[in-house]
Amino acid sequence: GQQLNQSPQSMFIQEGEDVSMNCTSSSIFNTWLWYKQDPGEGPVLLIALYKAGELTSNGRLTAQFGITRKDSFLNISASIPSDVGIYFCAGQGSTSGTYKYIFGTGTRLKVLA
Amino acid sequence: GAGVSQSPSNKVTEKGKDVELRCDPISGHTALYWYRQSLGQGLEFLIYFQGNSAPDKSGLPSDRFSAERTGGSVSTLTIQRTQQEDSAVYLCASSLGIYQGVEAFFGQGTRLTVV
Repeated sequence: GQQLNQSPQSMFIQEGEDVSMNCTSSSIFNTWLWYKQDPGEGPVLLIALYKAGELTSNGRLTAQFGITRKDSFLNISASIPSDVGIYFCAGQGSTSGTYKYIFGTGTRLKVLA
Repeated sequence: GAGVSQSPSNKVTEKGKDVELRCDPISGHTALYWYRQSLGQGLEFLIYFQGNSAPDKSGLPSDRFSAERTGGSVSTLTIQRTQQEDSAVYLCASSLGIYQGVEAFFGQGTRLTVV
């Protein structure tokens, strides 16, 4: 099935460092969502973006909806051990009118204490 | 309930048997989605329902897969004549509606193992 390109695929960082990951698509989306998934759990919604250029924060998380509507990025500031997990982007509502969420390939984050 | 509920949480079945996976969406949510996640992979769209509209079945991998949603609430995903490649975590999500800008909330998933 279709998936969005997400990078990096994985990253190891030291506790306290900032993290940045991004998601790109060949299609335009009207909504971008970012999820975090812990082992054995379902994805948990972190941030939702609805407008091109929008910058939204949720605690230490900041996400932006790209101006072209084909990309989004997520930043995590001052990482802590519990940030470990897999982060997924998801786009919805392309110009073709589909309402399904298309997910990225995921970024696996590991935080070294 | 407070969140999306899926059952069973784990299912082991023999190759060739049929299985049914259940999803109870968040109360009041009219849109319901099924995704499949293979080990270490991303989420693959299977099907979504919106109210009484015809479902979007574009992600179903074969005619062995089907899903229904009764009364606009509970949904059942059925896999007939299971194969080993069907082994995966099946995730269900619901949202308030299909219109752009509505967040989807996921259940814990059903881990299906075909032996």
